[in-house]
Amino acid sequence: GESVGLHLPTLSVQEGDNSIINCAYSNSASDYFIWYKQESGKGPQFIIDIRSNMDKRQGQRVTVLLNKTVKHLSLQIAATQPGDSAVYFCAESNSGGYQKVTFGIGTKLQVIP
Amino acid sequence: NAGVMQNPRHLVRRRGQEARLRCSPMKGHSHVYWYRQLPEEGLKFMVYLQKENIIDESGMPKERFSAEFPKEGPSILRIQQVVRGDSAAYFCASSPSGQGSTEAFFGQGTRLTVV
Repeated sequence: GESVGLHLPTLSVQEGDNSIINCAYSNSASDYFIWYKQESGKGPQFIIDIRSNMDKRQGQRVTVLLNKTVKHLSLQIAATQPGDSAVYFCAESNSGGYQKVTFGIGTKLQVIP
Repeated sequence: NAGVMQNPRHLVRRRGQEARLRCSPMKGHSHVYWYRQLPEEGLKFMVYLQKENIIDESGMPKERFSAEFPKEGPSILRIQQVVRGDSAAYFCASSPSGQGSTEAFFGQGTRLTVV
């Protein structure tokens, strides 16, 4: 079936370095791809999304890249901070009037001070 | 503007009991979604509701689970005759009406433990 998955379950990064979290997806019909951050004991927090007709979108310290040819999504975090430590989920959705989101397994980002 | 409110935050039930999870969406949001998260896994969609209507329940187990979003009051996810496998974190999200909205806001979740 269609699914969204991640390459790396855990990523350790030195504080101040850039982080890159990767994701592979299989549903080429998705309209949106979304990154969520989930801290321990909390609900997912929207970070950034990208429409399927785009290949790059930037936010504050974050950049999402979409490569539809190889069905690959990545989240880049610049100057990683301890507060960025969390589990990051990529997800996909269709803009069919509501947001039914399919989540991947998640990548745990550990920032080393 | 308060965020999505879920209660209780933690719920312990014995096998066979009923669990009732509540979700109050953000002010002005008329779309509610329920997700379940098992440890070390991503969230799995369960059901999507608008006021007084179930729009998509494709992720709901066929038995023991039900959801409602009445005209007044919070959305309720009800699990009857709970079993150990129901132990999970249950998250509610809400979004404003309209198409193309991807920024759903999640609550803090209810962590259900069945003993």
